Amino acid sequence: AQKITQTQPGMFVQEKEAVTLDCTYDTSDPSYGLFWYKQPSSGEMIFLIYQGSYDQQNATEGRYSLNFQKARKSANLVISASQLGDSAMYFCAMREVTTGGGNKLTFGTGTQLKVEL
Amino acid sequence: DTGVSQNPRHKITKRGQNVTFRCDPISEHNRLYWYRQTLGQGPEFLTYFQNEAQLEKSRLLSDRFSAERPKGSFSTLEIQRTEQGDSAMYLCASSLGGLAYYNEQFFGPGTRLTVL
Repeated sequence: AQKITQTQPGMFVQEKEAVTLDCTYDTSDPSYGLFWYKQPSSGEMIFLIYQGSYDQQNATEGRYSLNFQKARKSANLVISASQLGDSAMYFCAMREVTTGGGNKLTFGTGTQLKVEL
Repeated sequence: DTGVSQNPRHKITKRGQNVTFRCDPISEHNRLYWYRQTLGQGPEFLTYFQNEAQLEKSRLLSDRFSAERPKGSFSTLEIQRTEQGDSAMYLCASSLGGLAYYNEQFFGPGTRLTVL
């Protein structure tokens, strides 16, 4: 079974600084995908970035980048130039192909990020 | 607004009552997912539809839970004889099918259920 581990329940960062949120995963599938989602206090899950297991380069999306270390089974999210609006819960998730051909997501327990002035 | 919508946003019910939630996915998305999120946890997969066919159900989905997507558009999730343990946020997500790169799932705002 797939498993996602996020060991940082809470993180603080100063505005304009960079922060790294940790994620490790476990799977026996050679083909997999890793996602990061942001969940503000309003509750909706906002997609941030995706990394496929066969991607040669680390994914980047604006201020978000994914530090993908396949041998260590880690997929850490790096947020550069933090903003107050980045304060939220962040979830790492892994895609698993279902028996019906869909892509169900297995989520970690999340990291609560607080950006301070 | 062309995102995923869910109604109601909040539902308070007494133990033993039945509740039904609705999800309207993004119109061109043929895949629809339901997840449940309890306090302090990440969402957990409940069930998956491709068009109107329910193709997978989690073991979390007990006999008291039923989901439908009658015409391959909106979906409903019904919980019968609610229990206090059913209190959670119920999230709906939709995505394209086929061979898209990663079939990103777009989430709705969720329905927060409180069972008294």
